[in-house]
Amino acid sequence: DSGVTQTPKHLITATGQRVTLRCSPRSGDLSVYWYQQSLDQGLQFLIQYYNGEERAKGNILERFSAQQFPDLHSELNLSSLELGDSALYFCASSVEANSYNEQFFGPGTRLTVL
Amino acid sequence: AQTVTQSQPEMSVQEAETVTLSCTYDTSESDYYLFWYKQPPSRQMILVIRQEAYKQQNATENRFSVNFQKAAKSFSLKISDSQLGDAAMYFCAYRSARETSGSRLTFGEGTQLTVNP
Repeated sequence: DSGVTQTPKHLITATGQRVTLRCSPRSGDLSVYWYQQSLDQGLQFLIQYYNGEERAKGNILERFSAQQFPDLHSELNLSSLELGDSALYFCASSVEANSYNEQFFGPGTRLTVL
Repeated sequence: AQTVTQSQPEMSVQEAETVTLSCTYDTSESDYYLFWYKQPPSRQMILVIRQEAYKQQNATENRFSVNFQKAAKSFSLKISDSQLGDAAMYFCAYRSARETSGSRLTFGEGTQLTVNP
C-alpha cells in the first residue's frame, strides 16, 4: 500500500458523459500527479499540482481539467467522454515539486467508456 | 522533448537466472534522473530502482542493478536470481532535473517479463 488513495476503483459510463476521479495523496505530500495508461498511448503524464497550484502540464486534453484543494486532495474531471478515453488513470504524490523524491502511485481508477 | 524507448516488448527468464531489460532515451539535457518501475498484474506501479545522471556509479538495490551508459543514452536493468514474483511489466522512465519541467515522468512502452519455474 503506497498510501495514495484513489476513488472510485472502477467507473463505467457512456460517451458524452462527465466523470470526476478523486485522489488523496500520502500524508505530508504536497505534490500530486495524474497519469493516463491506455493501450494506444501507453503511460503518459497529464498534469501536476503542487500545494494547490498547477506546476506542469502534459498532453492533457481540453476536455479534461484538474484541481488540487486546500486539503491537498486532487480531482481530475473528464467531460464529453469518448471511447478513446477508456484507460487506467493513476494519481501519484511526492513530498516536493522538483526533487529526486519518489513518486508514490495510487492503485488507479479504471475508466470504461461505452 | 524527451523520449524513452524499450525495444523488448516481451522477455522471459528461468527462475534463479539473470535477465537484462533494455532502455534507451533521447534528451539534450545533461542533468536528469532515470527510473525503473514495475507493474505486476495488480496494476500497482512500484519503484524498483533509480539513477541520477551525474553519478557515474551504477545503482543497485538487492537483486536489481542498472547499467547506465550516459554517452550512449542507455539505461538497462539487470535482475539477478529471478523469482516468480518478479513477473510483471517493467517501465523505464525519465525525469528532467530542470525546474521548469516539474517532476513529470516520461515512460517507455514497457517490457513484459515472464518468469518460468
